[in-house]
Amino acid sequence: QQPVQSPQAVILREGEDAVINCSSSKALYSVHWYRQKHGEAPVFLMILLKGGEQKGHEKISASFNEKKQQSSLYLTASQLSYSGTYFCGTETPLRSGYSTLTFGKGTMLLVSP
Amino acid sequence: NAGVTQTPKFRILKIGQSMTLQCTQDMNHNYMYWYRQDPGMGLKLIYYSVGAGITDKGEVPNGYNVSRSTTEDFPLRLELAAPSQTSVYFCASSYSQGASPLHFGNGTRLTVT
Repeated sequence: QQPVQSPQAVILREGEDAVINCSSSKALYSVHWYRQKHGEAPVFLMILLKGGEQKGHEKISASFNEKKQQSSLYLTASQLSYSGTYFCGTETPLRSGYSTLTFGKGTMLLVSP
Repeated sequence: NAGVTQTPKFRILKIGQSMTLQCTQDMNHNYMYWYRQDPGMGLKLIYYSVGAGITDKGEVPNGYNVSRSTTEDFPLRLELAAPSQTSVYFCASSYSQGASPLHFGNGTRLTVT
């Protein structure tokens, strides 16, 4: 099942903060966050793992609530370069025994001067 | 270090034609993936591979085929192209599952008319 992201879109002025949420109907093993600028490939921001370990970006933080099956991405003191579409990807076990990422539909973020 | 390289960047096909999207990576990653991205829908997994000679279907495999004869290359074959295959295709690779970030290629924009 595709994780649900909210909000669908958000417009900020430079310097404002934003929170993007990602929720899943299934148990979460890990959550990835990516940012995609128009016409470009998604770029890795952060991974959150069960047990609280985080790997990723120095200016962006995130939380991972295993019980609620949710993750949130926190963008503080936003910069113009933060504009883009943010995707969460939840680790999904496959029948083969391997796992892959299932991505949400994305949250469009626009930061204006 | 090139990372993940996809060719071509753009292609227009007529209905019923076939083509191969090329993907190669130079990071010695065992795990490779093909996603398609349609507007507002996020990324959907078409096929994945966990090593040379091992491939499996993802969420939306119909109309596509893959092969993985080497660690570096993971081509995606479209047989009998249909308008529903108009999309942006991304190839990605990762060092391992779950706790490793995906590295994306720059994408191939395919239009079937």
